[in-house]
Parts: sequence; C-alpha cells; structure tokens
Amino acid sequence: SQQGEEDPQALSIQEGENATMNCSYKTSINNLQWYRQNSGRGLVHLILIRSNEREKHSGRLRVTLDTSKKSSSLLITASRAADTASYFCATDPNTGTASKLTFGTGTRLQVTL
Amino acid sequence: KAGVTQTPRYLIKTRGQQVTLSCSPISGHRSVSWYQQTPGQGLQFLFEYFSETQRNKGNFPGRFSGRQFSNSRSEMNVSTLELGDSALYLCASSLGLFGGPYNSPLHFGNGTRLTVT
Repeated sequence: SQQGEEDPQALSIQEGENATMNCSYKTSINNLQWYRQNSGRGLVHLILIRSNEREKHSGRLRVTLDTSKKSSSLLITASRAADTASYFCATDPNTGTASKLTFGTGTRLQVTL
Repeated sequence: KAGVTQTPRYLIKTRGQQVTLSCSPISGHRSVSWYQQTPGQGLQFLFEYFSETQRNKGNFPGRFSGRQFSNSRSEMNVSTLELGDSALYLCASSLGLFGGPYNSPLHFGNGTRLTVT
C-alpha cells in the first residue's frame, strides 16, 4: 500500500518554467525523500529532508516539509527538457532500524521546448 | 564506484514457471531492498536484506522469496508465476542505517522487466 499520494498526477510545462509537485502522507516520519525515475529505468535519489527540517535546497531543487499537515512539496526551478521524468516522494517511518521506505504514487513531469 | 547491477534486464516466462532475479549492490552497501513496480499498484516493497538476514518484509505471498549472500549480492525468486506478476522488479542498495538520526538513501538498479504470458 502507498504511504503517500502525489499531486498532480501529471504536469506539463515549458522549459524555463518552475514545476511544483506535492506529496501527502499518513503516518509520522523520520525523514522524507524525493526520487526521480526516467522511463523504464531505476529511481535516482534527489534530496532528503529530516522531520525536524522545514526547507532544504539542492541546486535547482527546493523541498519543503510540513509535518503538522503531513505534506511536502518539491519545486524544480528553471526546468529543462532533461527534467522530464516521474517524481516520487518516499517516507521513512519513525520506527525501527530496518528499511521501510514507502513510495508515493508519483507525478509525471513533461518539460517541452 | 560501480552502481547497482540487476540481471537479467528482460525476462519472459510462462504461467506456472519460476524465476530468479539477481542484484549486485554498490560496493560497501550491506542492505538490499526489492520493489515491484506496476502501473496499477505503483512501487510496492517486497523485502529488505541486511548482512544475509531478512530484516523487513512487505505484503506479498510466500511465492516471493529472496536471499542475500555473504558478499551482499542478493537474489529474489518467484515461484508458480501468475500473469499479475508481470512488472518491473527493482533492487536498491544502501548502507542500511535507518531510524533515529540515521538515514540511508536508496541506490536503485535499472530493474528487471518480467513479462509472464
């Protein structure tokens, strides 16, 4: 079962525009991570934000986390055609020591020239 | 550093057969996780191995099993294949430190595309 749901399911923008995707989750977390997947390939880790952090930046990526609303957003600024991919949030629960990373449903981003 | 390697890349099997998929993690990574990805169910966690022990398991039937060797390489096996097992099977490795102040991002292979006919 999916822990998170992403919104929107699909997003189409032009190169140079910003892309924002949102993730909502259900249970308490230790951290939240964002991954990118190009068609038919494996996932690539983009950024991790801990539960005690509110905002984090990495290059053109900005992630926010609101644990009171159980939600996160990923902003990609000045998008490029190469950013075309599916983006997934993944939550790491605040329990135990084993991997229990649970992925959301994903947002398909299409960046056109 | 070499990435996560999964073999084979594509596999076609018929119902009732069994299949074994292989995963070689990044050198130094002791944790290997397996995920099933389908258009309908998305990414579903199968199991995680750490130092040859299954540390966590998802909600899949017993037909799905796995193991990890002393060199951290992992295999997963699916017996008595069903049409619904058609999916992209992804393996991910990590340092395996989770919980509390720890976090270990997953490094994924490109997957094995299994088609059951």
